[in-house]
Amino acid sequence: AQSVTQLGSHVSVSEGALVLLRCNYSSSVPPYLFWYVQYPNQGLQLLLKYTSAATLVKGINGFEAEFKKSETSFHLTKPSAHMSDAAEYFCAVLNRDDKIIFGKGTRLHILP
Amino acid sequence: NAGVTQTPKFQVLKTGQSMTLQCAQDMNHEYMSWYRQDPGMGLRLIHYSVGAGITDQGEVPNGYNVSRSTTEDFPLRLLSAAPSQTSVYFCASSLHLTGNTIYFGEGSWLTVV
Repeated sequence: AQSVTQLGSHVSVSEGALVLLRCNYSSSVPPYLFWYVQYPNQGLQLLLKYTSAATLVKGINGFEAEFKKSETSFHLTKPSAHMSDAAEYFCAVLNRDDKIIFGKGTRLHILP
Repeated sequence: NAGVTQTPKFQVLKTGQSMTLQCAQDMNHEYMSWYRQDPGMGLRLIHYSVGAGITDQGEVPNGYNVSRSTTEDFPLRLLSAAPSQTSVYFCASSLHLTGNTIYFGEGSWLTVV
């Protein structure tokens, strides 16, 4: 079954620094991949999604992710962190059984 | 446009009680699903539906029941609540599954004592 692994349950970066959140997937076929963000006490919002149209995907709030088939990765990046980026981020994959499977999440902390 | 609406937002149950979490969407979405979120576990799929009259099990279906009699509604029933079902529950919907954005409700906080 397809799955995703998020490396690091907590990541801390300084305000203005590069944000890098890691996600690796397991899939034998080209996957659909997603990044979602969750702010405290809220539901999840879609940041971006990969549907095989382009390997570099741009999302909302300045985030982007690059699909690398050779590395089975879909890491999320943002050039310059802002305090408002503090949240929990989830990588997800659509598997063959019509199920969206989420990673365990990475909590992003922004240091002033 | 209300999107995905979940009720109730907060609920406390006693062990053994039953209850239904309601979920409704007004976007004519075919796909609906229920997740539970627990610390360090991410979101785990409980049940899902690809259309009215069709439901299927996710990763953690035990102790839960669903039905999809209309396109709009997808209630989640806890048959006999257990403390292990203390969690935050999210309902989600999508027009179709493949590549479409999934919209989430605001969550339902359930405590079983």
